[in-house]
Amino acid sequence: NAGVMQNPRHLVRRRGQEARLRCSPMKGHSHVYWYRQLPEEGLKFMVYLQKENIIDESGMPKERFSAEFPKEGPSILRIQQVVRGDSAAYFCASSPKGGSMNTEAFFGQGTRLTVV
Amino acid sequence: AQRVTQPEKLLSVFKGAPVELKCNYSYSGSPELFWYVQYSRQRLQLLLRHISRESIKGFTADLNKGETSFHLKKPFAQEEDSAMYYCALTTTNAGNNRKLIWGLGTSLAVNP
Repeated sequence: NAGVMQNPRHLVRRRGQEARLRCSPMKGHSHVYWYRQLPEEGLKFMVYLQKENIIDESGMPKERFSAEFPKEGPSILRIQQVVRGDSAAYFCASSPKGGSMNTEAFFGQGTRLTVV
Repeated sequence: AQRVTQPEKLLSVFKGAPVELKCNYSYSGSPELFWYVQYSRQRLQLLLRHISRESIKGFTADLNKGETSFHLKKPFAQEEDSAMYYCALTTTNAGNNRKLIWGLGTSLAVNP
C-alpha cells in the first residue's frame, strides 16, 4: 500500500490560470479530506468527501474552489483563476471511514502551489 | 468555537533534557485529541491519540479536561525527535462529519 499519493508535489501557476491538485487515497479508503496550510499558519480544513459525495465543504472559499471525488479515479481539488493568495501547501488525507473514534486519517505529502 | 492553541512556535532543548509541548483546546463537547508529527521532508503522521493512552517513541500525552490541555511530554529528548509537532482535535458526536481542527504547530529542535 503506497499510502496517500498527491500530485504534483509542486505546482507553479500564473495569476488567472487554473490549478488542479490530485489525491489518490489509500487502498480501501473511501473518505478524503483536503486541508490548506498558508505560510506561517496552521492547517485549515477545507472539504470532506466520500465517493461521489461532498459531505462537508464548510472550509472551502465560496468562489473559484471546487472539489470532487468520483467513483473512479482520484479526488481533485480545483482552483480557478488563481491569485497570489492561493499560494499554499494543500494536503489531502484519507480514512477508511468517518465518524469512528478508532479511525485515523493518513496524510499525503502535500502539493505546494505557487502563484506567480 | 472550536480552537486548538499551541503557544510555542519554537522549542529548543538539549539532548537528554525533558520536553513538554503545550496544547490547549476549546470545545464544548467531548473532544478527541491527537498529536501529529512531521519530520523533515516527510509526510504528516499520527504520533498518538488520547483515547489510546499509549506511549509512542517515548512520548505521552494526558488529556486534562479541567485545564482543557493535552500537553505532549517526553522525559529524555533525542536528536531524532526534532520535528514539527501539531496538536489537533476532532468532534466525536458529529456522525460522519469528521474534520480535524489544528494548532499552529511547534517546531522542536533537540540540540546535541
